[in-house]
Amino acid sequence: DTAVSQTPKYLVTQMGNDKSIKCEQNLGHDTMYWYKQDSKKFLKIMFSYNNKELIINETVPNRFSPKSPDKAHLNLHINSLELGDSAVYFCASSQGVAGAGYEQYFGPGTRLTVT
Amino acid sequence: AQSVAQPEDQVNVAEGNPLTVKCTYSVSGNPYLFWYVQYPNRGLQFLLKYITGDNLVKGSYGFEAEFNKSQTSFHLKKPSALVSDSALYFCAVRDPFSGGYNKLIFGAGTRLAVHP
Repeated sequence: DTAVSQTPKYLVTQMGNDKSIKCEQNLGHDTMYWYKQDSKKFLKIMFSYNNKELIINETVPNRFSPKSPDKAHLNLHINSLELGDSAVYFCASSQGVAGAGYEQYFGPGTRLTVT
Repeated sequence: AQSVAQPEDQVNVAEGNPLTVKCTYSVSGNPYLFWYVQYPNRGLQFLLKYITGDNLVKGSYGFEAEFNKSQTSFHLKKPSALVSDSALYFCAVRDPFSGGYNKLIFGAGTRLAVHP
């Protein structure tokens, strides 16, 4: 029973294309996140939503657009893909949003390769 | 700037020996600290956290971590390493300036290799 799932697991595409990654969590959490892990395994937050509201929006090119249709889903759409977008993208979720330091639960990742 | 440092890219230890993976932090105020583990081609898994209370925190898979405020450290430890503990370990701290939200700042990761 997967807690945080992402599709697709692998995504190979050409420069200039537009692609989407989907994330779903069945933990009943209120908050979801997108992270980017680069080739050196460095992990950085991109966005976070709480109950469909954008609450964290890091310095990310506006080619990246998150969308949360409901609190269990958070999708990431990327326009005009560039070589530098190649990375592993992780979705995560946590209970609540603030203060108590809730741990985050991560999906399996989507490995995006731009050629 | 708020930051987390993991000074070792890799830690090698023999199976059965104790292991330590180091983490130091630099944040304003009282830190919320976390350890996560990443196995190959997998997402991160939560191991343990320190929010408040006892400085020694126990977590999953026999891991524990000690919060040391004077040394601004939160080292991960295990008394007896297993080959299956071999993975990439991340220390993280909650950004206190994230408007109260759970924005985590991650260290660069430490690769733990446990040899039979």
